[in-house]
Amino acid sequence: QTVVTQEPSFSVSPGGTVTLTCGLSSGSVSSTYYPSWYQQTPGQAPRTLIYSTSTRSSGVPDRFSGSILGNKAALTITGAQADDESDYYCVLYMGSGLWVFGGGTKLTVL
Amino acid sequence: EVQLVESGGGLAQPGGSLRLSCAASGFAFNTFWMHWVRQAPGKGLVWVSNIYGDGSTTTYADSVTGRFTISRDNAKNTLYLQMNSLRADDTGVYYCARDRGYMLDLWGQGTPVTVSS
Repeated sequence: QTVVTQEPSFSVSPGGTVTLTCGLSSGSVSSTYYPSWYQQTPGQAPRTLIYSTSTRSSGVPDRFSGSILGNKAALTITGAQADDESDYYCVLYMGSGLWVFGGGTKLTVL
Repeated sequence: EVQLVESGGGLAQPGGSLRLSCAASGFAFNTFWMHWVRQAPGKGLVWVSNIYGDGSTTTYADSVTGRFTISRDNAKNTLYLQMNSLRADDTGVYYCARDRGYMLDLWGQGTPVTVSS
């Protein structure tokens, strides 16, 4: 069974830049997997950040950007702010109607 | 107001059943794929199932195949998840979400499910 991989945790300084990645246990992530990214704070529903690799959802600040880096999808936060401290999840469309979430990355801003 | 509101969660015994509902409002419900996503306590998001706008196509994660059934009533703008043969590892918060073209753009607040004896 395919596993979608994310860094379990990451730390960034306020104002800094961080890149979170989303890979596959076997193979490379490409735009054909329609990678999307979601932000979740404790007790809240997820919020859509990025879809179709690099399109920002409505209202999402432009400090969030998505891309393909090497064989992974990537979410880059430029100029991190304190309220970016959250859990971040990617999800990939595997075809035939199947979706798989990554395990999530807990981002700390300090 | 465009929103999704889940209900039907609660306590169930192992081997038991629950039916979750997700009431949609403010948009053309029948034109969207809809999904269920769950989250065990302290764990990550897990995709569970989805259904096409007219209900003709459904897909399930391996972990729930044969036990869960997704359905919808477009006349009532409501999505359902019938959960049978429940196990302890089905415990978590269940979210419904709207699919706006390979992205889940609208989420409900979630309904908690606990499977325990």
